[in-house]
Amino acid sequence: SAVISQKPSRDICQRGTSLTIQCQVDSQVTMMFWYRQQPGQSLTLIATANQGSEATYESGFVIDKFPISRPNLTFSTLTVSNMSPEDSSIYLCSVDLRGDTDTQYFGPGTRLTVL
Amino acid sequence: EDQVTQSPEALRLQEGESSSLNCSYTVSGLRGLFWYRQDPGKGPEFLFTLYSAGEEKEKERLKATLTKKESFLHITAPKPEDSATYLCAVLPVYNQGGKLIFGQGTELSVKP
Repeated sequence: SAVISQKPSRDICQRGTSLTIQCQVDSQVTMMFWYRQQPGQSLTLIATANQGSEATYESGFVIDKFPISRPNLTFSTLTVSNMSPEDSSIYLCSVDLRGDTDTQYFGPGTRLTVL
Repeated sequence: EDQVTQSPEALRLQEGESSSLNCSYTVSGLRGLFWYRQDPGKGPEFLFTLYSAGEEKEKERLKATLTKKESFLHITAPKPEDSATYLCAVLPVYNQGGKLIFGQGTELSVKP
């Protein structure tokens, strides 16, 4: 397995502002993923971030709202832009460590509250 | 449409009372089925990956099984520390990008 960290662990933000969430892995990985878990809901994939290419967004998620960076094989950021209370969620990054097992390992999550 | 349904939504057990959690899935082709455990305020912790019908995997008090339509997570003689939400997810065979489709989870509570 690997150690996956996220910063911040939690934040409370004002409506209309933006927050950038960082995800750091202690080993090089090809595929990193960003998920959202709304209160009482399960996980929904926002986008896939591969190093050296543009992120691939799922239906219902757009780059202007959730810009993603993937500057190297151990790091990625997700920005939640122009936030509204509906963006209050837990944001999780995950990684596919080996690529051949399809198993994803998750970070601890960032709990975001928008007032 | 690919879909994952978990039941029950919540399960309360006494310590030592064995039971099973169900994960039913509808997918055009299954590449893999995954079980995770999620504690409050934490990210999901990987438990098992299953690939084909008939496959079984075990870890301590947990055993996961897979058929062509569903998976079961059997919990034998559970302890209070097994209390958590258990998530099931599938990866469709056509999906090369790694998009996991998650169920809603089963919240397990084990009382001493």
